[in-house]
Amino acid sequence: NAGVTQTPKFQVLKTGQSMTLQCAQDMNHNSMYWYRQDPGMGLRLIYYSASEGTTDKGEVPNGYNVSRLNKREFSLRLESAAPSQTSVYFCASSELAGVAYEQYFGPGTRLTVT
Amino acid sequence: SQKIEQNSEALNIQEGKTATLTCNYTNYSPAYLQWYRQDPGRGPVFLLLIRENEKEKRKERLKVTFDTTLKQSLFHITASQPADSATYLCAPINDYKLSFGAGTTVTVRA
Repeated sequence: NAGVTQTPKFQVLKTGQSMTLQCAQDMNHNSMYWYRQDPGMGLRLIYYSASEGTTDKGEVPNGYNVSRLNKREFSLRLESAAPSQTSVYFCASSELAGVAYEQYFGPGTRLTVT
Repeated sequence: SQKIEQNSEALNIQEGKTATLTCNYTNYSPAYLQWYRQDPGRGPVFLLLIRENEKEKRKERLKVTFDTTLKQSLFHITASQPADSATYLCAPINDYKLSFGAGTTVTVRA
């Protein structure tokens, strides 16, 4: 039982390049999330998927797109990377989208945009 | 806009003492609040959830309080151990989405 896995672990991009961050969970959870974490700012929600087939914007969606490929997988795409997107990206999942449900986080992807 | 503030400085304490962390929030009224632990280079791990009508919740050496009048949650680690050294994040819940504070880093000296 691997929990939440993310690939890649590290990535360096040049400004304007595109890439997709992959996330998968094996806990049969319905809801999945993408966050970014910057020093001194806490985790900020980029996009979330309350259930398979739905996606919604979070607090900081600009410059990102997501795809809920199936119940297990939720990917985050940067179409044209900018230095402001240098951050650590975390994927998380929960049984359902609701106030009482804890979230399980992956190990993170450290992205640097030069 | 919604704002979450945790202890701005890191907390250094002696093993065996109690660490008390503060989480203050403004401009909204969450009915639930979660606390997470994050170790360097890793994702956060869930610790506790408290509801607005619970006032206090305990789990082993951890205790959380939730004062909706003061808009504050306190997180206590009693009989602290070096293994408790980590960053602790509070996450008030609004509209089914978590909003995280920046975290407080705790270092427990042996």
